[in-house]
Amino acid sequence: QVHLQESGPGLVKPSETLTLICTVSGDSVSSYYWSWIRQPPGKGLEWIGFVHNIGSTNSNPTLRTRVTVSVDTSKNQFSLRLASMTAADTAVYYCARGPRDGYSQAFDYWGQGTLVTVSS
Amino acid sequence: SYELTQPPSVSVSPGQTASITCSGDKLGDKYACWYQQKPGQSPVLVIYQDNKRPSGIPERFSGSSSGNTATLSISGTQATDEADYYCQAWDFSTLVVFGGGTKLTVL
Repeated sequence: QVHLQESGPGLVKPSETLTLICTVSGDSVSSYYWSWIRQPPGKGLEWIGFVHNIGSTNSNPTLRTRVTVSVDTSKNQFSLRLASMTAADTAVYYCARGPRDGYSQAFDYWGQGTLVTVSS
Repeated sequence: SYELTQPPSVSVSPGQTASITCSGDKLGDKYACWYQQKPGQSPVLVIYQDNKRPSGIPERFSGSSSGNTATLSISGTQATDEADYYCQAWDFSTLVVFGGGTKLTVL
């Protein structure tokens, strides 16, 4: 069974950079694409970006200048860095497996999510 | 940028069929997938490639797509199906796109 677990700070100050890590078990990050998705309180889902071990990455055009997604195969983890945080970035951040080629670019496994609040 | 539009809410009586729509320009030319999200939980994939169910998803959940609209149908709706539902598609310019979500209420 594939399991994903997010870790990182629950509170970030405005203008700081958020760093989150997703630890994967039951699968290898060397396979598939892996993504970050967020959900502001009471609102909908927003895809942030994805990474593949072969070096392919991409991100939401609205966040692209602030987003870095990378993978660490030695630890079976992937990470998100989101720069210049503001209150609008307050959200539950999920890591997920996907987009999956054989699943019409869907996300088939998700972490439990971690709430990140931006406040001074 | 590509956008997907869902109704904010849909209500259904227990045992009836619930239909949730997702609209986007030429959505029928792309593949749509659907997620169920219950309060305080992570989204769960219930339909992919318009009408395929992942392992473990009840047959009550089905999907269809044509023209500009994809539809998630839940037959024999149960109280446990009450949740938020999100559609998602892939667009080659915007990449991953989610709809705004639909709150399904089972009255």
